[in-house]
Amino acid sequence: QVQLVQSGAEVKKPGASVKVSCKASGYTFTGYYMHWVRQAPGQGLEWMGWINPNSGGTNYAQKFQGWVTMTRDTSISTAYMELSRLRSDDTAVYYCARGLWVVAATPFDYWGQGTLVTVSS
Amino acid sequence: QSVLTQPPSASGTPGQRVTISCSGSSSNIGSNTVNWYQQLPGTAPKLLIYSNNQRPSGVPDRFSGSKSGTSASLAISGLQSEDEADYYCAAWDDSLNGHVVFGGGTKLTVL
Repeated sequence: QVQLVQSGAEVKKPGASVKVSCKASGYTFTGYYMHWVRQAPGQGLEWMGWINPNSGGTNYAQKFQGWVTMTRDTSISTAYMELSRLRSDDTAVYYCARGLWVVAATPFDYWGQGTLVTVSS
Repeated sequence: QSVLTQPPSASGTPGQRVTISCSGSSSNIGSNTVNWYQQLPGTAPKLLIYSNNQRPSGVPDRFSGSKSGTSASLAISGLQSEDEADYYCAAWDDSLNGHVVFGGGTKLTVL
């Protein structure tokens, strides 16, 4: 069965960086785009971008361009999302989510369990 | 401020039918399909409806979706207590080089 297992919660200081991992299993990792979505406490969902695990190509939401980096390691079927220059309003649960289709405009059929990133001095 | 507009709350009694609306624009719902997600308290979102009205395997047929113009709706019939959750609509938006937009979410309470 398809599973996306994310790394554990993180506490970071303002200005630091955080790197969240998402290990995929139960399907061909390189066959599906991986998206990242975040959710601030008590707030809605916000799309951050995607990575094509096959080519390594990425597409970031305009808001995150210049301070998010999505990478992957196909040898261990793991995607990564690194956010730099953290601010307090980056405190959120970060989810990885698999795209159902191999196009950008796709629903997300499987989600990771979420990783809470807390930014506090 | 979310790009797609949903009512913040909805409610119903067991067995009732409730609908949740989602309003967008020509660059998102007007030209792309709509997906709906259910988020139970403390859990990750789950795909409920995709391509306006398609249910993934395992989703009960009590859940249905529709789209007309720049608006979409999620209907839940035969409401059950376990349906109490947050519901989000989402769509691709063709502006700004393309990106996914979500509604602000609707909290459904089963009375």
